[in-house]
Amino acid sequence: EIVLTQSPGPLSLSPGERATLSCRTSQSISSSYLAWYQQKPGQAPRLLIYGVSSRATGIPDRFSGSGSGTDFTLTISRLEPEDFAVYYCQQYGSSPPTFGQGTKVEIK
Amino acid sequence: EVQLVESGGGVVRPGGSLRLSCAASGFRFDDYGMSWVRQVPGKGLEWVSSINWTGGSTGYADSVKGRFTISRDNAKNSLYLQMNSLRAEDTALYHCARDQGWLGRSGYFDLWGRGTLVTVSS
Repeated sequence: EIVLTQSPGPLSLSPGERATLSCRTSQSISSSYLAWYQQKPGQAPRLLIYGVSSRATGIPDRFSGSGSGTDFTLTISRLEPEDFAVYYCQQYGSSPPTFGQGTKVEIK
Repeated sequence: EVQLVESGGGVVRPGGSLRLSCAASGFRFDDYGMSWVRQVPGKGLEWVSSINWTGGSTGYADSVKGRFTISRDNAKNSLYLQMNSLRAEDTALYHCARDQGWLGRSGYFDLWGRGTLVTVSS
């Protein structure tokens, strides 16, 4: 199965700053089948990005995804207070679908 | 309101069984594949099982194959997970999720429930 490794470890930033989260896969992902999710404590995960760079319905444009092959990035252009959460990447180009271990974006 | 609500979790002894349910509302349930994804509290996400819109195609993680069975009842807008021979390592919060997969394979998950907690302990 494809292993996803997210970095950095906890990311400590202030509101208004730019967040750059990385997801590296152990094998190349076919056809851009990579998604990103946001999860807040006590809540279900929420889909942010699918197909590497397509925003899900209702997701603000400060969230963007990019990358190809084995290296992918989620960028939050200007952090809002509600963006402090854990973010997971997921590949669905190969079975089984697998997730990264998550990156926590915390308030500095 | 578009939502998924899980139920059926609880405390069970190793070797025991449990059946989880997921009630869907606010969308046409039989248009979508569905999946179960679990999460150890404070840890990451693990895909468990998926089923296509008809129920005719299913998939399982190796860790649960032969012990868990996914099914659905489109007339009741419901998804199920029958869990047998439970082990301590099955302890987790079990989410149901709407699956944007195709041709019987899982895709990304665009709607999630809040989960039901399964604890396997003696």
